[in-house]
Amino acid sequence: DSGVTQTPKHLITATGQRVTLRCSPRSGDLSVYWYQQSLDQGLQFLIQYYNGEERAKGNILERFSAQQFPDLHSELNLSSLELGDSALYFCASSVARTSRDQEQFFGPGTRLTVL
Amino acid sequence: AQSVAQPEDQVNVAEGNPLTVKCTYSVSGNPYLFWYVQYPNRGLQFLLKYITGDNLVKGSYGFEAEFNKSQTSFHLKKPSALVSDSALYFCAVSAMDSNYQLIWGAGTKLIIKP
Repeated sequence: DSGVTQTPKHLITATGQRVTLRCSPRSGDLSVYWYQQSLDQGLQFLIQYYNGEERAKGNILERFSAQQFPDLHSELNLSSLELGDSALYFCASSVARTSRDQEQFFGPGTRLTVL
Repeated sequence: AQSVAQPEDQVNVAEGNPLTVKCTYSVSGNPYLFWYVQYPNRGLQFLLKYITGDNLVKGSYGFEAEFNKSQTSFHLKKPSALVSDSALYFCAVSAMDSNYQLIWGAGTKLIIKP
């Protein structure tokens, strides 16, 4: 158990809908990272927050947004969903501001299915 | 541009044999290298990292990796494979020119046959 929790585990929704994925980092970790894992695209970094502020952006679509709250939990909002958004979404946390030399701890993921 | 290559989509090894999962990278400056493992229906788990110092680093579950600066490689190895090592393995690198964000390889599926 990494100490990172994600809810829900599974989410099934329809095209055009909006969903929110939630992540609680390990105790003491200030950084939260969001990743998308799909069969054809591999592991894609979406966005990072550090202590409530956006730190880095990866391949995140404009339809997607995230935030980190004062208690350090984070939410990833996905809107106007398309079939291609079906994927596993992982959250990871680390104590450091950068990934330079610190490992990340991954949650179990949320499997999103868009029908 | 920064990149990480895992040239093999899949590696098949018999139980008890040594295994190698290959990783090469392209970054400017000093790299920080990582290996993660993903078991079916689970999140990724950290295995080991190279930051500086000894080129051979040891990690969890008996895995080790060798940093080779001249060949820009960081291959994952284990002397004797177990069936339970079957999983998806990811190599990742961070460096100054990636603003220390992790650049991930595509992953290598390791299958250990009894």
